[in-house]
Amino acid sequence: AQKVTQAQTEISVVEKEDVTLDCVYETRDTTYYLFWYKQPPSGELVFLIRRNSFDEQNEISGRYSWNFQKSTSSFNFTITASQVVDSAVYFCALSEAGNTPLVFGKGTRLSVIA
Amino acid sequence: GAGVSQTPSNKVTEKGKYVELRCDPISGHTALYWYRQSLGQGPEFLIYFQGTGAADDSGLPNDRFFAVRPEGSVSTLKIQRTERGDSAVYLCASSQTGISTDTQYFGPGTRLTVL
Repeated sequence: AQKVTQAQTEISVVEKEDVTLDCVYETRDTTYYLFWYKQPPSGELVFLIRRNSFDEQNEISGRYSWNFQKSTSSFNFTITASQVVDSAVYFCALSEAGNTPLVFGKGTRLSVIA
Repeated sequence: GAGVSQTPSNKVTEKGKYVELRCDPISGHTALYWYRQSLGQGPEFLIYFQGTGAADDSGLPNDRFFAVRPEGSVSTLKIQRTERGDSAVYLCASSQTGISTDTQYFGPGTRLTVL
């Protein structure tokens, strides 16, 4: 069965600090896809990144970076030099090949304080 | 282009009533998903359409919940005999083809409150 665990319920940082959001997943499939979504106070889920299980290269996009490690079944998300606009709930999600609905973690609420 | 839209944005109803929630996917997207998000939780899958047909309805909690997508675009989630436990945000998402590699794009959700 698929499962996504985001152990950090809430994180609070001061602006310009770096912060890492943890995501651990479980799946029996060898082919699967991992996602991060951001849910700002407005409520709409905003897609951030998709990664497939065959690509373990880390990815950087501006202040965002993602560290995918199959050995530990983790797909962690780091925000560098955090800003107040980064305040949101962040969700990690998983889908298996041939099974397209997403399985989400419970989310991590990030508060960035000015 | 326009994103996924959902109406109404808020719905308050009384226990036992029937409600319909509407989702307009991104134009041209063949796959459409419904999820439910309770307070403090991540979204949970309800049902997935590929075109007009329900490809996977394994997430529907019971037979009070039903969804249709008669012309392969707009979808309606229908809840009969609502219960207080149905209160949640109902999210709709669409993707281009519905294969696993596709990104799902979400609408703003409908907040349902059952009194």
